Amino acid sequence: AQSVSQHNHHVILSEAASLELGCNYSYGGTVNLFWYVQYPGQHLQLLLKYFSGDPLVKGIKGFEAEFIKSKFSFNLRKPSVQWSDTAEYFCAVNPLLGGKLIFGQGTELSVKP
Amino acid sequence: SQTIHQWPATLVQPVGSPLSLECTVEGTSNPNLYWYRQAAGRGLQLLFYSVGIGQISSEVPQNLSASRPQDRQFILSSKKLLLSDSGFYLCAWSLPGGGRETQYFGPGTRLLVL
Repeated sequence: AQSVSQHNHHVILSEAASLELGCNYSYGGTVNLFWYVQYPGQHLQLLLKYFSGDPLVKGIKGFEAEFIKSKFSFNLRKPSVQWSDTAEYFCAVNPLLGGKLIFGQGTELSVKP
Repeated sequence: SQTIHQWPATLVQPVGSPLSLECTVEGTSNPNLYWYRQAAGRGLQLLFYSVGIGQISSEVPQNLSASRPQDRQFILSSKKLLLSDSGFYLCAWSLPGGGRETQYFGPGTRLLVL
């Protein structure tokens, strides 16, 4: 069965630290890839997405993600986090041919001022 | 621009009571609609999706059902709630895109069954 794995359940960083959240998926075919973010008390928002082309994708608020097909990975990065980045982050994968959006279990990020 | 609404925001219901959660989308036509349940530490689980009025696909057998009486309205229901139905329910929409669809989520309904 297709699955998405986010390696870190809870990450705690200080402001200005660099961030990398891991995401791996299990599906051999072409996929669409997404990162969503859920800030405290807010609804789930799209952070960035990859359909095709340049594997390095830029998103909102300084986030980026790199698709590495050979590693089945789509890791999220930010060079310098802010306290306002405190949120839960979800990786999601959508197999191109008729598949549904499959979510990872989420990573809770806490940024200390 | 498109917006998605869900209500109620919070609901406390006794075991065995019926349930009706509503989701509506504005600013678009013929969207695909989805119901998810979000459990802490377990991500989002797709419950139902719909590609048109009256067309419902169920992903997980359970105590819930869904209906789409109008193009932009999606309803999640139950005849008799169980304790295990407690959770956070999210509605989402997307435009059919031949495999390149992005889903956008509503604010969710937190359901507590006592």
